Amino acid sequence: QVQLVESGGGVVQPGRSLRLSCAASGFTFSTYGMHWVRQAPGKGLDWVAVIWYDGTKKYYADSVKGRFTISRDNSKNTLYLQMNSLRAEDTAVFYCAREPAAGNGMDIWGQGTTVTVSS
Amino acid sequence: SYVVTQPPSVSVAPGQTARITCGGNNIETKSVHWYQQKPGQAPMLVVFDDSDRPSGIPERIFGSNSGSTATLTISRVEAGDEADYYCHVWDSSPDLWVFGGGTKLTVL
Repeated sequence: QVQLVESGGGVVQPGRSLRLSCAASGFTFSTYGMHWVRQAPGKGLDWVAVIWYDGTKKYYADSVKGRFTISRDNSKNTLYLQMNSLRAEDTAVFYCAREPAAGNGMDIWGQGTTVTVSS
Repeated sequence: SYVVTQPPSVSVAPGQTARITCGGNNIETKSVHWYQQKPGQAPMLVVFDDSDRPSGIPERIFGSNSGSTATLTISRVEAGDEADYYCHVWDSSPDLWVFGGGTKLTVL
């Protein structure tokens, strides 16, 4: 069935790096835009980044621009989020989600992976 | 950047109709999507492109978008509808995907 599975979360010290992965299955990954969305404890959804189906376009929220990098490997059906210079305020559950076309809504979500930034 | 505003909470008795609003500048010119999130679960798309429903979403859940406000309406509310609901808009200039702050629906 259609599925997204995130991994790579954990506890990391401020200033360090972490890379998240999102493995896709059950659909043609290379034809969908993909997002990362995060949710801090007890807070709402916060859009992080998007990558076009072919990787040609990438956009970021201002809060992560210059620190986070979204990428994908369509041969491996996998989405990535490289997070550098992590801050306490980056602590959140990170979800990957697919979007059939820009502005169409995110129709499939993963279960999330938790990132905790703490010394 | 574009901002969308939702009420923090809405309460309704079982069997009644719940309306959750999403306001934003010229929002009627944008496509609005709605997500339901229950505790401990990932969000789930319940309405896309203002008023379309993904397969499996009941007809008593529907959306509209006019007059500077998008609205998610849930008729004949059930206990299982209790959740947080988020509206979501794509602002194409610049390219940003924006979520509302979320509305907690409580079924009394």
